[in-house]
Formats: sequence, structure tokens, C-alpha cells
Amino acid sequence: GQQVMQIPQYQHVQEGEDFTTYCNSSTTLSNIQWYKQRPGGHPVFLIQLVKSGEVKKQKRLTFQFGEAKKNSSLHITATQTTDVGTYFCAGRSGSARQLTFGSGTQLTVLP
Amino acid sequence: DSGVTQTPKHLITATGQRVTLRCSPRSGDLSVYWYQQSLDQGLQFLIQYYNGEERAKGNILERFSAQQFPDLHSELNLSSLELGDSALYFCASSGTVSGELFFGEGSRLTVL
Repeated sequence: GQQVMQIPQYQHVQEGEDFTTYCNSSTTLSNIQWYKQRPGGHPVFLIQLVKSGEVKKQKRLTFQFGEAKKNSSLHITATQTTDVGTYFCAGRSGSARQLTFGSGTQLTVLP
Repeated sequence: DSGVTQTPKHLITATGQRVTLRCSPRSGDLSVYWYQQSLDQGLQFLIQYYNGEERAKGNILERFSAQQFPDLHSELNLSSLELGDSALYFCASSGTVSGELFFGEGSRLTVL
């Protein structure tokens, strides 16, 4: 079945450093979504990418969807303590109806 | 507030027991998803309903079952509980088939 892998599993950065998490799918995706889960909270939708090679920005966050629509990345510039949490990618392939989540990257920002 | 309501928030029970988790989706959302999140783990897809019909099934155990009612609320039934079933169970709803998911705050199940 569809598998979505995410690396790294954990990332500790100093406040102000950049952060990137990568997502790879075993199958071509029709779209990919990114979610953030704060400690003790629930996942909250950040963005959806649909087109091959698509790049979207939200303030300090940059999201990319690979040309082959099998990988994606989230880059945070100049991290802040408010960025702490686990970032999940989630993909849906053309034949699968379910939304499969990656294992997540837990980000810790040290002040 | 995502608009998705889950009850109960916390539940402690013993092995072998049966529990029911309830989810009310956002107003107007027809799709309901159930996910299981074990400690420091990712989100494991269990099952999805769309307007009362099962739409997709993940790695849901046979001891688990779910349904979506005509008023669109959903229930996840967990039976013959084992210690390993202890987890956070999230419900999410969506207004479209491929759109974003809105998650509830989860139901934390502890099996002793």
C-alpha cells in the first residue's frame, strides 16, 4: 500500500536557525498536505499542494512539491519558539481514497 | 476551535472492555475520518466515511468498528480492549473529498 516517509524524525535547532523536513512517497501523489501539531494538541492544516513543482509560501514557511509529485518539503526560515511542534505531511494517491500521513518531524527550538 | 467535537476527552478502562468514541463533524462536512496516534507516533488511518457510507479502510483491527449516522456524527467502537490500544484517537472532518482535514481535540484512551 501507499507509504509516506518523513525525515528527520527529530530536529533540534537554535532559535533563528533554519529548519527543513522532507517527505517521500512510494507512489505518485495527487496532492500533498502539511499539518502542524503542537505538543498536547491536535493536527492543524497548514497548506495543500497540487501541481507538480509547486512552491507556496506562508510568511517564514516555504512548501515545495516535487516535479514527480512523489516528494515534498517544508522549510522554515529563522525559526521561533512558536514553531515548536510536530510537522506532518499527508498524501493521497490517485487510486487511494485515504489520506496517508508521514511519521512526522518533531521540531524543538532552543531559545 | 476546529468545529469538530469529540467525546469523551479522556477514558480509562480495563482490558477486555468495550468503549465507544463519538465525533460530531463541522457543520456541513460530509466526510469523517478516524486516526489513531500512539505515544510519540504518527497518525495511523483507521477508516473514513462519506455521507453515511464507508469510503476507505486502513489498518483497522477487526475488534474495532465504526459508523456514520444520518445526522453525520460518527462513532468508533473499540472492543476486547488490549493494553496496546491505549492511544489518542482523532476524528477529523472534511467538506470535500480531497480537501483539508479539520481535527477534533482527540479522545485519549488508557487501557489498564
